[in-house]
Amino acid sequence: EVQLVQSGAEVKKPGESLKISCKGSGYSFTSYWIGWVRQMPGKGLEWMGIIYPGESDTRYSPSFQGQVTISADKSISTAYLQWNSLKASDTAMYYCARGSYYMDVWGKGTTVTVSS
Amino acid sequence: DIQMTQSPSTLSASVGDRVTITCRASQSVSSLLAWYQQKPGKAPKLLIYKASSLESGVPSRFSGSGSGTEFTLTISSLQPDDFATYYCQQYNSYSTFGQGTRLEIK
Repeated sequence: EVQLVQSGAEVKKPGESLKISCKGSGYSFTSYWIGWVRQMPGKGLEWMGIIYPGESDTRYSPSFQGQVTISADKSISTAYLQWNSLKASDTAMYYCARGSYYMDVWGKGTTVTVSS
Repeated sequence: DIQMTQSPSTLSASVGDRVTITCRASQSVSSLLAWYQQKPGKAPKLLIYKASSLESGVPSRFSGSGSGTEFTLTISSLQPDDFATYYCQQYNSYSTFGQGTRLEIK
């Protein structure tokens, strides 16, 4: 079964760093792009960016460029989304999903709460 | 950025109804458009890609059409499981989602 398993919920303070993960299984992890999508509380979906784990080729939405870092470790079939300094406005659900642009397999999401 | 606008924002319908949701792009996205269904507390689910291609396992009552700047998602006969929020997504230039259409029971 193709699946993406995301890391657990996080509660952080403003200014802290964070790295959340997304582990793929049941398919060739290095052959498909992985994307990240944000959903703020009660709001819609926002495409953040994608990575091709086979080559670490990364593309960012202009809205998220410089705000987050997307990376991957192909040796353990895992993609990451990272913040260096969290803000309260980063509070959201973050989904990883397989696909370069349209996304056919989704993780269950990681809730990130940033509060002082 | 390409802006995607869905209409209506909320749609009330009954089981058995035929419903259509529209998605308009601020500039042409060719046929590079997908539709997703999302239920509360769940991840989105891909329904349609490349404007009209049905994802494997998705019931045939779902269909998509359009190209360029105007697209539609049609559900031919609503089932109880279909009440959810629907999003369009363009992937011609980076990617952007529409704001969503909430389909509720009348």
